[in-house]
Amino acid sequence: KAGVTQTPRYLIKTRGQQVTLSCSPISGHRSVSWYQQTPGQGLQFLFEYFSETQRNKGNFPGRFSGRQFSNSRSEMNVSTLELGDSALYLCASSRAGGPNSPLHFGNGTRLTVT
Amino acid sequence: AQSVTQLDSQVPVFEEAPVELRCNYSSSVSVYLFWYVQYPNQGLQLLLKYLSGSTLVKGINGFEAEFNKSQTSFHLRKPSVHISDTAEYFCAVSEGGGNTDKLIFGTGTRLQVFP
Repeated sequence: KAGVTQTPRYLIKTRGQQVTLSCSPISGHRSVSWYQQTPGQGLQFLFEYFSETQRNKGNFPGRFSGRQFSNSRSEMNVSTLELGDSALYLCASSRAGGPNSPLHFGNGTRLTVT
Repeated sequence: AQSVTQLDSQVPVFEEAPVELRCNYSSSVSVYLFWYVQYPNQGLQLLLKYLSGSTLVKGINGFEAEFNKSQTSFHLRKPSVHISDTAEYFCAVSEGGGNTDKLIFGTGTRLQVFP
């Protein structure tokens, strides 16, 4: 069974540009969540989607957005990139969300903003 | 608001020695507690979790953790570590009773095992 797949694995962008990251959850998983990992702030929750609806949102500016498609695949978009957006972005999926539904993480997309 | 504090940013230990990684949490509601491990250039892998019931939780790779409500702690232990346990360990909390994957993570503890 394939795990959570994130593409691309590495990305280099320039300040002011926008970027789209993709996440394919494990087959049968309907909940997808996104986390940002930086050395300074650690792991921070971005947002969570279930059945194409945003179920939860973290404390990030509106430049960060996401969506989920009918096949449960998810994308997140960051517009007007800033240097501080450089981070490892992790996607995680579970069957339905909640502690009884194990959360599986992808290996992340490392975004570097120059 | 929920928060998690991992008291040690780095823990060096020799192979086959015991180790304890400390985690304290704060929350005004019931919580679920988790420990995750992250190996270099990889995502997070669940080691163990506490939802309810027995306060001693056993996980993968020989790790265990004890939930202590009075001390609001959830320390991770292993009686004998291996070189392969070298990694970053994260304690996390989620609000009890919800169907959400929103986790609040601690800042992580880097476990370095020396031969």
